[in-house]
Amino acid sequence: EIVLTQSPATLSLSPGERATLSCRASQSVSTYLAWYQQIPGQAPRLLIYDASYRATGIPARFSGSGSGTDFTLTISSLEPEDFAVYYCQQRSNWPALTFGGGTKVEIK
Amino acid sequence: QLQLQESGPGLVKASETLSLTCTVSGDSISSSSYYWGWIRQPPGKGLEWIGSIHYSGSTYYNPSLKSRLTISVDTSKNQFSLKLSSVTAADTAIYYCARIGMIVVVIGYWGQGTLVTVSS
Repeated sequence: EIVLTQSPATLSLSPGERATLSCRASQSVSTYLAWYQQIPGQAPRLLIYDASYRATGIPARFSGSGSGTDFTLTISSLEPEDFAVYYCQQRSNWPALTFGGGTKVEIK
Repeated sequence: QLQLQESGPGLVKASETLSLTCTVSGDSISSSSYYWGWIRQPPGKGLEWIGSIHYSGSTYYNPSLKSRLTISVDTSKNQFSLKLSSVTAADTAIYYCARIGMIVVVIGYWGQGTLVTVSS
């Protein structure tokens, strides 16, 4: 089983600041990694797929990078609506899917 | 516009079977380009993939749940369903149904989710 470890668990930042979230896989997942945003009370929303491709309608301030075991989601300048929980998900060993434990981005 | 809607009991007794149905509108469940799946989230915790199905009937289950899990599809009703047997309090969660891409295997569309509580 591929385990995804996200860090930090919580990120306290102010609007306008840059957010850098990390996702580390227990073994290589190539670039088969996605990122989701979950606002409290809502279903998750796909942000990034295949490590660096933005999903339809996702603002350019969201970017993804990485390959192998280390991945990063960057939000270049936090907007008020970006304060949420972010999850990574791998599909390298489909038909199994696994998620990371999440990073909460909270207002400082 | 694609919509997915979960339905089923919000309260299930321990040791019984949890049953949920997802009704798909705005797309045909018989599309060969997608899987249809279930994901759950215990209150205040992270996401867990439960399993997926293709309209052809091919199923893919989380190994940790496989012995208790059945996912089925009804193309005539544009629905797919989840049955999880012998539930315990650990199965209390928000259950989401979703559409999963076949080429890029990501969850592009989610239902709003339904809370299922397992009572003793």
